[in-house]
Amino acid sequence: AQSVTQPDIHITVSEGASLELRCNYSYGATPYLFWYVQSPGQGLQLLLKYFSGDTLVQGIKGFEAEFKRSQSSFNLRKPSVHWSDAAEYFCAVQRGNEKLTFGTGTRLTIIP
Amino acid sequence: DGGITQSPKYLFRKEGQNVTLSCEQNLNHDAMYWYRQDPGQGLRLIYYSQIVNDFQKGDIAEGYSVSREKKESFPLTVTSAQKNPTAFYLCATTPGSVTNEKLFFGSGTQLSVL
Repeated sequence: AQSVTQPDIHITVSEGASLELRCNYSYGATPYLFWYVQSPGQGLQLLLKYFSGDTLVQGIKGFEAEFKRSQSSFNLRKPSVHWSDAAEYFCAVQRGNEKLTFGTGTRLTIIP
Repeated sequence: DGGITQSPKYLFRKEGQNVTLSCEQNLNHDAMYWYRQDPGQGLRLIYYSQIVNDFQKGDIAEGYSVSREKKESFPLTVTSAQKNPTAFYLCATTPGSVTNEKLFFGSGTQLSVL
């Protein structure tokens, strides 16, 4: 079965600092990879996705993610965070026609 | 204004009671999904439907039931058999039944037990 791991439960960064959120998956072949963001008490919004091709994927709100096959990782990055980026971030993986599997999420806190 | 509407925002259930969560969409999307979210856990799939009058169990369907009588609507009933129903419930859609599509989410219903 496919699985996805987000090793960081909670991350705190200063406004203006860079950000990297980690995501690792376990599956032999390259799955479809997604990052979603959730504001408190709200639904999730897709930030970006990777299916194939260029391993550096650009998303909305200035986020990007890099797929590294050798490390089975799909880490999310942002060069300079804003207070409005405070939210919970979910990595998700999907292979073939199986349903999406979500990680447990990383909560991001921004300090002034 | 297109979107997914979940109601109510907050819901309380008494012991032994069945409650129904509403999910309506006007995006003309084929597939609809129900997820459960618990603190510190990812989203877990309860049920999904790819076409009217058809639905499939997800990973945690026990204690829940659904119907899909109309394309726009996919209500979720939390039955008395669900012993731990307190959670945040999210409805989502995809335009087609292809499984690698972007999910569109409603704003959720928080269910609590009295």
